Amino acid sequence: KNEVEQSPQNLTAQEGEFITINCSYSVGISALHWLQQHPGGGIVSLFMLSSGKKKHGRLIATINIQEKHSSLHITASHPRDSAVYICAVKGGSNYQLIWGAGTKLIIKP
Amino acid sequence: KAGVTQTPRYLIKTRGQQVTLSCSPISGHRSVSWYQQTPGQGLQFLFEYFSETQRNKGNFPGRFSGRQFSNSRSEMNVSTLELGDSALYLCASSLGPQGNTEAFFGQGTRLTVV
Repeated sequence: KNEVEQSPQNLTAQEGEFITINCSYSVGISALHWLQQHPGGGIVSLFMLSSGKKKHGRLIATINIQEKHSSLHITASHPRDSAVYICAVKGGSNYQLIWGAGTKLIIKP
Repeated sequence: KAGVTQTPRYLIKTRGQQVTLSCSPISGHRSVSWYQQTPGQGLQFLFEYFSETQRNKGNFPGRFSGRQFSNSRSEMNVSTLELGDSALYLCASSLGPQGNTEAFFGQGTRLTVV
């Protein structure tokens, strides 16, 4: 079993829909990261959080430390949100970043 | 403030050759991490350098090596290239050790081994 699991693997939605991407982890962590990778490879850091909730524009990230779970929400989704969203946690036995496999999101106009 | 710069952006090499990739982190950042991403795969951690010292190493063969200079610029080297080394190689810089602070990624070097 992977230490970081993301769901769903793939998600297709219509423009304007509310999107939720989930990340569950099995190790103790000090921080959790959400990143976005567009076609072509560029990766952008969206959030780093260790508790509670953060909001940036239409993006909201939450984390529940007790349940070892985080969610990334996108409100009023737009085709430009189409990308792969990656969750990574700082933790584990050697304190490396442990990466999820990513969620591929497609927003149709 | 300049972002993370990786050079070259694209590279084609022949099996058996060796290659050196470069990463210049954001000014003031001391941590550089390297990742390999193959088509359809997630990011695979190669190694992390912090203040010229390798802090962590992923599960890659010894053909993959790296170093960090006093100005925090980092290079990774792959010797005796294999077809399976074709991938996007990404580096990320951060102020502190990997994962403790926000990471900023370069655009990557796309390596094709033929």
